[in-house]
Amino acid sequence: DTGVSQDPRHKITKRGQNVTFRCDPISEHNRLYWYRQTLGQGPEFLTYFQNEAQLEKSRLLSDRFSAERPKGSFSTLEIQRTEQGDSAMYLCAIQLRADTQYFGPGTRLTVL
Amino acid sequence: GQNIDQPTEMTATEGAIVQINCTYQTSGFNGLFWYQQHAGEAPTFLSYNVLDGLEEKGRFSSFLSRSKGYSYLLLKELQMKDSASYLCAVSRPYSGAGSYQLTFGKGTKLSVIP
Repeated sequence: DTGVSQDPRHKITKRGQNVTFRCDPISEHNRLYWYRQTLGQGPEFLTYFQNEAQLEKSRLLSDRFSAERPKGSFSTLEIQRTEQGDSAMYLCAIQLRADTQYFGPGTRLTVL
Repeated sequence: GQNIDQPTEMTATEGAIVQINCTYQTSGFNGLFWYQQHAGEAPTFLSYNVLDGLEEKGRFSSFLSRSKGYSYLLLKELQMKDSASYLCAVSRPYSGAGSYQLTFGKGTKLSVIP
């Protein structure tokens, strides 16, 4: 148990629909990261929060993507007007000791 | 830029030893991680090297040479459950204190056969 839960675990949607994923660290952690992983690739960094502040955003994060961490605890990642290329595993990670990141179980998104 | 290379696939026999190599060229370096990822699941932390040398943890060991941009993960006494992808990741600091970015390789899919 990494201390991170993600919801939903699986999401199937039609192209053009909006989807929202949630990441819940069990206890308070300052630093929270979002990654995207497609088949045959390693996770790719999307964005990073320190408390409620979004400090880094990858160029992968187009204007259809938005992430929030309103109270510095849970975080949400929203994708608007989904495209088939958005199909991937979306992973949330928290940073514990030193610079070690621990991942939640992920949300697998399928866009039809 | 960031470039991390590791073999795409490897096959080894149950009970044997296997070494998975990783080479990297990155701008900025703090440490190197190895993660294990079973199919359909999230990556799980295996090991972390900051200094040169070998870190041993049970059946798994990880080695780092910073000057050569090289690491390997050594798995001993292979078990069927070790069949998974093994991800090499380089950590480098962000501008914010205490914050780090992980850049992953594509992973090495290890198949353990009887």
